[in-house]
Amino acid sequence: DTAVSQTPKYLVTQMGNDKSIKCEQNLGHDTMYWYKQDSKKFLKIMFSYNNKELIINETVPNRFSPKSPDKAHLNLHINSLELGDSAVYFCASSQDRREIQREISDTQYFGPGTRLTVL
Amino acid sequence: DQQVKQNSPSLSVQEGRISILNCDYTNSMFDYFLWYKKYPAEGPTFLISISSIKDKNEDGRFTVFLNKSAKHLSLHIVPSQPGDSAVYFCAARRNTGKLIFGQGTTLQVKP
Repeated sequence: DTAVSQTPKYLVTQMGNDKSIKCEQNLGHDTMYWYKQDSKKFLKIMFSYNNKELIINETVPNRFSPKSPDKAHLNLHINSLELGDSAVYFCASSQDRREIQREISDTQYFGPGTRLTVL
Repeated sequence: DQQVKQNSPSLSVQEGRISILNCDYTNSMFDYFLWYKKYPAEGPTFLISISSIKDKNEDGRFTVFLNKSAKHLSLHIVPSQPGDSAVYFCAARRNTGKLIFGQGTTLQVKP
């Protein structure tokens, strides 16, 4: 069983289009994240949701909008795609760290990634 | 301003020998550090972690060392196996749960 899944795995689209990437986790976690891995290979957090509430919102263009219909899903919508949006996007989830011991908190489980190519 | 850095983009080691992956950080407020392993076309998977109150954590072949005064941590893999060949990411957090990742080190273990 896949713990954190993302669809699609590959996404090729034209500049200016609007696209969505879906993420689902079956781990029962309360917190979900979106990361972007750019061409320099750095993994940078974009958003974090805890129980469907936005808790981390990094400096990301407002063309990017996360949507969490329930605790198990965090989808990423991107409007007016630009060339610079080309990257690998990873979804992740973790247990609410307030509920478990500090030593094992914040272990984030990642999805397989979505490679977005904007032409 | 990259707060977590892995200055070696790649490392090649013979099977059976020790692999040492290094990571430096600049923010003294980080209180928890993690190592993730990533195979091609897959997401990072959690490997081992250490809190700032410790200087060593061991899990089987993997040991993480933390030197707070030097703001340095390292991951030791002994003995290295060909299946360990992957990209290793160091990550750190400060209270909020937001992880700051390094850029990764590609480890190749030669049979």
